Amino acid sequence: KNEVEQSPQNLTAQEGEFITINCSYSVGISALHWLQQHPGGGIVSLFMLSSGKKKHGRLIATINIQEKHSSLHITASHPRDSAVYICAAVSGYALNFGKGTSLLVTP
Amino acid sequence: NAGVTQTPKFQVLKTGQSMTLQCAQDMNHEYMSWYRQDPGMGLRLIHYSVGAGITDQGEVPNGYNVSRSTTEDFPLRLLSAAPSQTSVYFCASIYGGEQFFGPGTRLTVL
Repeated sequence: KNEVEQSPQNLTAQEGEFITINCSYSVGISALHWLQQHPGGGIVSLFMLSSGKKKHGRLIATINIQEKHSSLHITASHPRDSAVYICAAVSGYALNFGKGTSLLVTP
Repeated sequence: NAGVTQTPKFQVLKTGQSMTLQCAQDMNHEYMSWYRQDPGMGLRLIHYSVGAGITDQGEVPNGYNVSRSTTEDFPLRLLSAAPSQTSVYFCASIYGGEQFFGPGTRLTVL
């Protein structure tokens, strides 16, 4: 089983701050997903990465396959970014999830 | 498109009862999966399917059955509910690298 670790577990930031959430995994993967879970419970897909870097608006995701590590960055954070962010490592048809990082952005 | 739909949204069962959680998608996605989410555990894969007629076990399959008779539907059956199956259940499909999640079913087993 691919052990997926996220850090930090909880994060509080002030509006406007640059935020980084980290994800590391133990076994080689074919891809990695970043997901966002809203306070109401709904889950949306943010990125899927297999190499390099992707950007969507204020969100940037990077992955280093050799180091088995991925990061999710949020620039100019806003209270509406408050959510749980989850990474998931893909090996074949199996997905192994991290436990999530709970982010609170205060005004 | 309605995306991925799940019913019911909430359910309370007594130990030993059986029930089926429904999941449907109208996007013609081949890959569908069921997860459970428990506090402190993260999402865990129960079963998945790569197309109609094909299913396989995930990380925590015990106590659950699935079938995939059509591309659209992927029901999850609890054969004899146990308190350990109290959880939030999510159905999802994957296409083009993006995951599409249903809204979830909150199940309580007394």
